[in-house]
Amino acid sequence: ETGVTQSPTHLIKTRGQQVTLRCSSQSGHNTVSWYQQALGQGPQFIFQYYREEENGRGNFPPRFSGLQFPNYSSELNVNALELDDSALYLCASSETVYNSPLHFGNGTRLTVT
Amino acid sequence: GQSLEQPSEVTAVEGAIVQINCTYQTSGFYGLSWYQQHDGGAPTFLSYNGLDGLEETGRFSSFLSRSDSYGYLLLQELQMKDSASYFCAVRALTGFQKLVFGTGTRLLVSP
Repeated sequence: ETGVTQSPTHLIKTRGQQVTLRCSSQSGHNTVSWYQQALGQGPQFIFQYYREEENGRGNFPPRFSGLQFPNYSSELNVNALELDDSALYLCASSETVYNSPLHFGNGTRLTVT
Repeated sequence: GQSLEQPSEVTAVEGAIVQINCTYQTSGFYGLSWYQQHDGGAPTFLSYNGLDGLEETGRFSSFLSRSDSYGYLLLQELQMKDSASYFCAVRALTGFQKLVFGTGTRLLVSP
């Protein structure tokens, strides 16, 4: 069973640029969520995708967007990067939309300078 | 909205028992989960309480009391590898799985 994999592991971008982060879900999981984790804090929910559609969103501006593909892999796109976007971005997959444990990837560490 | 508070750091020695508390303010939620995260690693699911009471999974146990807005994670027979950050999280009352995480507790286990 392949776990959740994310790429790249680290990324450095300049303020104002755009970034795309990628995630492959665990085998058999049709739901993917993205979380932002600032240093020393708990993860914060960005959004969730199910059957290639966004079905839930947290308190993040529209410049945070995503995609889910037919193979359940996913992308997180962030436009017009700001310094405060520097964080660990975690992808999590789950068997169902509802109450099943989240399986997280190791994340992408994004630094915005 | 929801907020979950945890102690920032807890220290213990190998073989001991430690309890990590989680107090919350929320208008409602489906259940309380616990996740472990080692430095540089992914959060890993440990335990879930959908109902009040104690859930036991090996060396780990978790407890929930909705009337007291309180839960805890109990780790027994501590090992060095248990040194990590621990997060409680509630699943918000939405039609999708949105977890709201606590502030996190860093557990340091010494020999």
